[in-house]
This record gives sequence, C-alpha cells and structure tokens, in this order.
Amino acid sequence: AQSVTQLGSHVSVSEGALVLLRCNYSSSVPPYLFWYVQYPNQGLQLLLKYTSAATLVKGINGFEAEFKKSETSFHLTKPSAHMSDAAEYFCAVTLTGTASKLTFGTGTRLQVTL
Amino acid sequence: KAGVTQTPRYLIKTRGQQVTLSCSPISGHRSVSWYQQTPGQGLQFLFEYFSETQRNKGNFPGRFSGRQFSNSRSEMNVSTLELGDSALYLCASSLSLGTGGEQYFGPGTRLTVT
Repeated sequence: AQSVTQLGSHVSVSEGALVLLRCNYSSSVPPYLFWYVQYPNQGLQLLLKYTSAATLVKGINGFEAEFKKSETSFHLTKPSAHMSDAAEYFCAVTLTGTASKLTFGTGTRLQVTL
Repeated sequence: KAGVTQTPRYLIKTRGQQVTLSCSPISGHRSVSWYQQTPGQGLQFLFEYFSETQRNKGNFPGRFSGRQFSNSRSEMNVSTLELGDSALYLCASSLSLGTGGEQYFGPGTRLTVT
C-alpha cells in the first residue's frame, strides 16, 4: 500500500523567504505524487503533480517540487513566500491503474508573517 | 467551465438521522470520488464511482453509501448518524479512471451532527 508522510504540521516563514514543505512517500511501485492546497472554508486545489515525466515539476503560484527516488521525497518549494500563500498544504499519492484513489498526508499549515 | 458543485454547503443533523449529500462534477468528467476530512483523521477516501458503478471503496462502515447517476452526478448517504460523522465531505471529479489522480475538488459540505 502507498502512503505519504509530511514532516511538520506547522511551518512559519517570513514574507519573501523560501518556502520548503516536506513530503516523503512509500510505494511498492512508481507512484503518482501531488501537492494540493486548501484555503479556509474551501476545497482542495491542485498545485502540481508528478507522473514520471520530468523529476522537477512546476506548478501554479510559483511552486515547484522535485521527485527524488533515492530519498523517496517530493518536497514542495517556493523561492519567495507571499502572504496569500498562507494555507494548508497536502501531499498525496496514488498508483497508476484503474482507480483514482488519493492517499493524503496529514497536511502542513503554512503561516506567512511580515 | 463550471467547477465541481456540492449541495448543501452546510448541514446540521441529529444523531440517528440520515443525510444525503449531492455532487455535480465538472462537465465531461465521468469519475466522482468522495473524501471525508476531519481534524483527527485528516483526509480519508470514501469511495469512487465511474459509469454509475462503484470502482473503489475506502475503510468506512456500511452506513456510508453512494451512487452515481447517468449524468455523472453523485450522491452519498450516511445513515444512523453518529457524532463522529461530523466532518467536511469533499467531492472530486476527474475525466476518467486512472488519470493519475488529477482530481478537481468541490468546496465541500460541512456536516455537523449534534
């Protein structure tokens, strides 16, 4: 079975600083990996996805993530944080095949301070 | 193109009652998945429907059920509500099965059981 672990339930950065949100996965077969963002009282929005093409994936709002098989990691980064980035971020994994079931991490709440 | 819509957005029910939640996927999307989000358990997969058939099911009791109609709209039902069923229920749609999990989420239905 596949799973993801997000290190750090809360991360606080200053506006303009680097954002780094950590995600490690466990999967017996090559996975598909995703980052979703959730703003208060809203559903989830897809930031980016890895589906075995390029290992460095660029997403929306200036976010990107790098798939590192040797480290089983898929960390999310953004060079310069903006106040509007404050939200909860979820890493998720699914396997190729006929189903679309996503297994989510526990989430990381990003706080951006002035 | 309109996004995923869920109705109602908020619902308050009493223990022992039953509830039906509705989800309309993005036009052209044929797969609908349901997730439960709670502070304690996080995001958990409930089930997935495609072509009016349940294709995948999570680890929830039989009180949780769903269906999909020929126009891809989906409903989920929870019978004999318990306090622990209080949660945000998210619906997600995708074009078809096995699309690498690129799912588009609705805003959710916030269910409160008293």
